[in-house]
Amino acid sequence: AQKITQTQPGMFVQEKEAVTLDCTYDTSDPSYGLFWYKQPSSGEMIFLIYQGSYDQQNATEGRYSLNFQKARKSANLVISASQLGDSAMYFCAMREDHNTDKLIFGTGTRLQVFP
Amino acid sequence: SQTIHQWPATLVQPVGSPLSLECTVEGTSNPNLYWYRQAAGRGLQLLFYSIGIDQISSEVPQNLSASRPQDRQFILSSKKLLLSDSGFYLCAWSAETDINEKLFFGSGTQLSVL
Repeated sequence: AQKITQTQPGMFVQEKEAVTLDCTYDTSDPSYGLFWYKQPSSGEMIFLIYQGSYDQQNATEGRYSLNFQKARKSANLVISASQLGDSAMYFCAMREDHNTDKLIFGTGTRLQVFP
Repeated sequence: SQTIHQWPATLVQPVGSPLSLECTVEGTSNPNLYWYRQAAGRGLQLLFYSIGIDQISSEVPQNLSASRPQDRQFILSSKKLLLSDSGFYLCAWSAETDINEKLFFGSGTQLSVL
């Protein structure tokens, strides 16, 4: 069964607007970590934000915030005030406590920011 | 500070030829090491991971293999490449295996098998 699901293959957003990238996950482990990575056209993977399953607050890092809804098993990334440089692939990933050796990724969402 | 080096950046190989991609990490000891593959327009598929020298786990059956001859060196190999081996290969490391440990990635190798 797929552990991480990103249902939006592509998203468009106008510069300076906010955008939400969806991510749902599947795990029976009560303890896990959720990550978002950005992959520009250069191919490098850039870590953006982390959310632990026991964290009480939603994670925030600058213009990035994570809308964590534990009961719904969703961890959506919100990018505020989009910039042209935000155009990239975005990947959601999960690491489970019973199997911490592995970080499992979703299929990604391609975000395009237009002027 | 820690750095990860991966090479080559691009590689074009004929079907049936051997493969060797190398990845090294500097500035840390006993890292966890990973090889991922990304097919065109797809997500990252975990191929191998290693929590120590000679401790390598394979995630998917394939004609690729991995070795860790030194603590901070991780090599992806194949004796005979297939067309389906084409893709973008990423090496990564993490310091621990806690749930909050993020991965740090190399710059990737674009492999084209023709």
